[in-house]
Amino acid sequence: DTGVSQDPRHKITKRGQNVTFRCDPISEHNRLYWYRQTLGQGPEFLTYFQNEAQLEKSRLLSDRFSAERPKGSFSTLEIQRTEQGDSAMYLCASRSNVPASGYTFGSGTRLTVV
Amino acid sequence: GENVEQHPSTLSVQEGDSAVIKCTYSDSASNYFPWYKQELGKRPQLIIDIRSNVGEKKDQRIAVTLNKTAKHFSLHITETQPEDSAVYFCAATPPEGGSEKLVFGKGTKLTVNP
Repeated sequence: DTGVSQDPRHKITKRGQNVTFRCDPISEHNRLYWYRQTLGQGPEFLTYFQNEAQLEKSRLLSDRFSAERPKGSFSTLEIQRTEQGDSAMYLCASRSNVPASGYTFGSGTRLTVV
Repeated sequence: GENVEQHPSTLSVQEGDSAVIKCTYSDSASNYFPWYKQELGKRPQLIIDIRSNVGEKKDQRIAVTLNKTAKHFSLHITETQPEDSAVYFCAATPPEGGSEKLVFGKGTKLTVNP
């Protein structure tokens, strides 16, 4: 386990369809984050898990978005009824509880809604 | 909430020159300031970070300075090389909520010309 894995790397979907992304964090990291990055912008925070508990959600996370981390290990991010504005790179990151520990980002899932 | 401004948006330097990227933040309680390098199509990678109890940190050709009073921090890259070409993002961590989420700037595209 050398890093944060995300699957799939790319997803093209038709508007209105549902999509689900998966993130496998570094195994000893109990903190997991989802971010969204659009072209030319920095990543924007979506949601945060500590173990299996979802402790913070951004107002960017509309009711069409849901995230889970059922066993405190991998996480999924689902987008229902996708819209063209959902097209972005979805990045997952993890870190440990050790103070001053940095984030490790995954390679992301690039979503294109057509 | 926290707001991070980053300048310049693009920066072009000759190989061997120094590059400086500046960021300002709005929340005086923010206490952690990382810098990420993102190459095209790749994940953001942490290159250096600084905590609010430190004014400067250096790692080989890279240094970060923090001015808490003015609420700004800067990335300094000396002896730039073509492989330093990438988009650089600064970020700040506001303490509210306990998530230690990152609030990113919009990025600086650095081009190092051989």
